[in-house]
Amino acid sequence: GQQLNQSPQSMFIQEGEDVSMNCTSSSIFNTWLWYKQEPGEGPVLLIALYKAGELTSNGRLTAQFGITRKDSFLNISASIPSDVGIYFCAGRRAGSYQLTFGKGTKLSVIP
Amino acid sequence: GAGVSQSPSNKVTEKGKDVELRCDPISGHTALYWYRQRLGQGLEFLIYFQGNSAPDKSGLPSDRFSAERTGESVSTLTIQRTQQEDSAVYLCASSFLREITGELFFGEGSRLTVL
Repeated sequence: GQQLNQSPQSMFIQEGEDVSMNCTSSSIFNTWLWYKQEPGEGPVLLIALYKAGELTSNGRLTAQFGITRKDSFLNISASIPSDVGIYFCAGRRAGSYQLTFGKGTKLSVIP
Repeated sequence: GAGVSQSPSNKVTEKGKDVELRCDPISGHTALYWYRQRLGQGLEFLIYFQGNSAPDKSGLPSDRFSAERTGESVSTLTIQRTQQEDSAVYLCASSFLREITGELFFGEGSRLTVL
């Protein structure tokens, strides 16, 4: 099925730095979700967005639902070593129960 | 249980053998999904169950793949005559869908290796 365009594919950052990643799509989505996956585990939901323009924070994480409804970004402030993992965006179209996932952004944090 | 439970966590099989993967969703969750995740890739939708409605099988890659779910309980994903390209992590997720805003809760996955 269709996949979202997620970038960057991977990031190596110093502890304490801020991180930004985004997803874009040619289709309009009604819901954007951001998940984090650690090795050997399933994805865990970080933030859910349901309205165009919505900006939501969860601790050091902030995500926004793009005004065009075709994009979303996730920011992580003051990164720490436990932020390492793969971050996936996922979108759901109106009237659909399916989630379309991006290919993920692999984050590495150098202490 | 507290979360989505999948078994086995790891399965190594020979090409041509059949495998069965099991998923126990979160109690009360009406929707159940199977996804496939190849190494370094995103999640690929396979199949969706919602209550007693007919499942959406549109993501199954071939007729070697099938899945069943009885009511709102356990689901099994069966892969017949496995091929090496079937090697992947198979993730199950469940959700309580009253409207289409339910968030998916994932299990830890079943890692399948076909030799």
